Amino acid sequence: DTGVSQNPRHKITKRGQNVTFRCDPISEHNRLYWYRQTLGQGPEFLTYFQNEAQLEKSRLLSDRFSAERPKGSFSTLEIQRTEQGDSAMYLCASSLAGYQPQHFGDGTRLSIL
Amino acid sequence: KNQVEQSPQSLIILEGKNCTLQCNYTVSPFSNLRWYKQDTGRGPVSLTIMTFSENTKSNGRYTATLDADTKQSSLHITASQLSDSASYICVVRYDGANNLFFGTGTRLTVIP
Repeated sequence: DTGVSQNPRHKITKRGQNVTFRCDPISEHNRLYWYRQTLGQGPEFLTYFQNEAQLEKSRLLSDRFSAERPKGSFSTLEIQRTEQGDSAMYLCASSLAGYQPQHFGDGTRLSIL
Repeated sequence: KNQVEQSPQSLIILEGKNCTLQCNYTVSPFSNLRWYKQDTGRGPVSLTIMTFSENTKSNGRYTATLDADTKQSSLHITASQLSDSASYICVVRYDGANNLFFGTGTRLTVIP
């Protein structure tokens, strides 16, 4: 399968803990996006990378959130000091260029106890 | 404020019937509009993408229309199948930026 891969698929953690998610995009795609989706809502943009450069961040991305794409391939999204409101599905997508369709992974579902 | 609104919020139809989902947007300037299908617990999958100059685009039993003047789009599903049960999300790309505006989706349930 050469689609976008995300892991873990599910993460349950206690409030206050740190969590890290990983996204492996389609190999030839230079753009990588992170979204957050809560139940019954559409995805909300968090941030995107072109190669290793983080070019845009949403105001939703508080200082507890950090994303990296060190070698322009896989990316990680870390949430520090998790809060109840962080419970959501975190989706990663990649594309060849900005105007091309984004291919989504199946997401990481985060549950904060 | 840039927004994307979809209707209905949910829809139940019998297998084999047709249905039409609506999307209204206020995103301006507009670059393109996309329809995605999202199965429960999965990521969205692209169905169609239309630019300003395109009025209609088909992908199998899915046909999307776009009226850029009225800022409306529709997704028509023909001869529905049980596997069409999913959320259908309308997504509008803002011209000049790289983020997308997502609607909240229409939850379609096809029953036998």
